[in-house]
Amino acid sequence: DTGVSQDPRHKITKRGQNVTFRCDPISEHNRLYWYRQTLGQGPEFLTYFQNEAQLEKSRLLSDRFSAERPKGSFSTLEIQRTEQGDSAMYLCASSLGGDQPQHFGDGTRLSIL
Amino acid sequence: ELKVEQNPLFLSMQEGKNYTIYCNYSTTSDRLYWYRQDPGKSLESLFVLLSNGAVKQEGRLMASLDTKARLSTLHITAAVHDLSATYFCAVDMFMRGSQGNLIFGKGTKLSVKP
Repeated sequence: DTGVSQDPRHKITKRGQNVTFRCDPISEHNRLYWYRQTLGQGPEFLTYFQNEAQLEKSRLLSDRFSAERPKGSFSTLEIQRTEQGDSAMYLCASSLGGDQPQHFGDGTRLSIL
Repeated sequence: ELKVEQNPLFLSMQEGKNYTIYCNYSTTSDRLYWYRQDPGKSLESLFVLLSNGAVKQEGRLMASLDTKARLSTLHITAAVHDLSATYFCAVDMFMRGSQGNLIFGKGTKLSVKP
């Protein structure tokens, strides 16, 4: 299966720690997106890459959040000094661009103790 | 503020019945997507609607788009238990200068009972 892959699936950490998530998109997809989803809500857009360039960031993405896609393939999302409110499912999606649908990974569930 | 509103948010149906889920949005867009999410799983793309009047059908599900009314519908025909899931509509923000930023509704949690 060559779908979107995310690692880890679950992350439990103490408040104030840093965490990093990885996303491997579908190989031919040049666009990569990060979303956050909390219980009972739809996904909320965080940021978007086209190849290695980060082209758009949501106001939701505070200074504690940083994302990279260094070689235009996999991407990482880092959260520094985690807070209780960061507890959520972090979803990665990729697409061919244009009007093609985004394909989502299974997500990384973050729990802050 | 851009809003995507789905209703109902919860829907309990009997097998064999028909029903419609509505998705209203507050900005100009002619790209709308429907996704399905099973508990603990990620989102699966169901339909891509790209123009006014677009209609797509797959099995017991049919989606339509009215860009003038800023309304999309997801119609369920003769529901079966396997359709139980949460359904999301999402509007593409490209007409507002974004590059594929999707704005999602809150989802409709569908439960189909025998």
